[in-house]
Order: sequence, then C-alpha cells, then structure tokens
Amino acid sequence: DIQMTQSPSTLSASVGDRVTITCRASQSISSWLAWYQQKPGKAPKLLIYKASSLESGVPSRFSGSGSGTEFTLTISSLQPDDFATYYCQQYNSYFALTFGGGTKVEIK
Amino acid sequence: QVQLQESGPGLVKPSQTLSLTCTVSGGSISSGSYYWSWIRQPAGKGLEWIGRIYTSGSTNYNPSLKSRVTISVDTSKNQFSLKLSSVTAADTAVYYCARGEPGTAWGQGTLVTVSS
Repeated sequence: DIQMTQSPSTLSASVGDRVTITCRASQSISSWLAWYQQKPGKAPKLLIYKASSLESGVPSRFSGSGSGTEFTLTISSLQPDDFATYYCQQYNSYFALTFGGGTKVEIK
Repeated sequence: QVQLQESGPGLVKPSQTLSLTCTVSGGSISSGSYYWSWIRQPAGKGLEWIGRIYTSGSTNYNPSLKSRVTISVDTSKNQFSLKLSSVTAADTAVYYCARGEPGTAWGQGTLVTVSS
C-alpha cells in the first residue's frame, strides 16, 4: 500500500495568514493527488485534483503543487470559512486509494 | 447535478454483516466512466477508503478489509451497495459513498454503530 503522511496534524493560524500543508507519499504517485476540506458533520469537499488543478467553484486562494512523492496545499489568505480539517488522497488506480491523516486548521 | 444518498441499518450486531446502499439521483450510474466508492470515518478520526466499483462492474478493495468486503451495483435501481461481514466495534463509523476519483460528489454519510 502507498502510505500518505500529512503534516502538521494541527495548525493554528489567524485570518489573513498564508497556510501550507504538506503531504508525502511513500512511493511515487505522479500527480494523482487530491485535497479535500471537511467541516464537522459534513462530507469532504474536493478542492484540488491532479495535484494542482482547482475544482470548479473553489476559491482561487487555494492552490496545490508537487509531484512524485511530495505535495503541498496552500491557502494564500486564510478566511473564516477555511477553518476545517484538510485531507490529501492518492488515487493512483494501480493501488488501493489512501488518505493522509488530516490537518486541522484552528483559529489562533 | 448528481446526488448520492446512503441508506441502511444504523445498528448492527457484532459478527453480523453490515449492508448499506447508495442511491444515485440526477444521473445514471451506468453512464459515463466513473468509479463508485465507499469511504468510512470513525468518530474523531480520519478517512479510510473501503473500495470501489467501476462502471464496468470491476471492483477493488482496501487490502486490510478485502476478505470481508463486497461492493456491487444494481443499474436497474441506480444504486450500488456495500456489504461488510463479521463486523466488530472497530467497524463503527460514518460511512460515505462517493462518485469519481477523486470524489467529486459525496453522500451526506450514515452512522453505523456495531453493538450488541
């Protein structure tokens, strides 16, 4: 299985901050990496697919980068609606899909 | 716009089989080339991919659950289903169904508790 390691597990930030979350794969997944946002009691919402493509309707302050084994999700200016938990997911179809452990973005 | 809705018993006894159905509306489950997946999330924990079924009917499962999982599709009802056998308390979770890889559409989730 491909293991996905996210860091940090918790992040405290203020409105307007630039926030970066990292996801590392245990082996190369090319660009088959997605980022989701999840709020309490809700299903995850897709933000980024193929490592850097912005899902339709997602604000442009969200961006993704990376390939191979190292990936980042960046929120350029944190907004009140962005306090949530973020997950990466590899979806290389040759392997079982796996999620990272999640990063909770909290109010500082 | 496609919508997904999970349904099934909210309480299952240990050693029994958990059975859930995902009903798809707003589009045909057999049109297009999509994976239809099940994902679960224990309370306060992260997401775990359970498995998927392709439009063609082929399936893939999480190796850690493979011996207990069956995912099937009923195109006449526009539904796909999950069966998880020999459940224990560790299988207590919110279960989600989703379309696509990555998941562009998700159900709202349904809580399944394993308890006697």
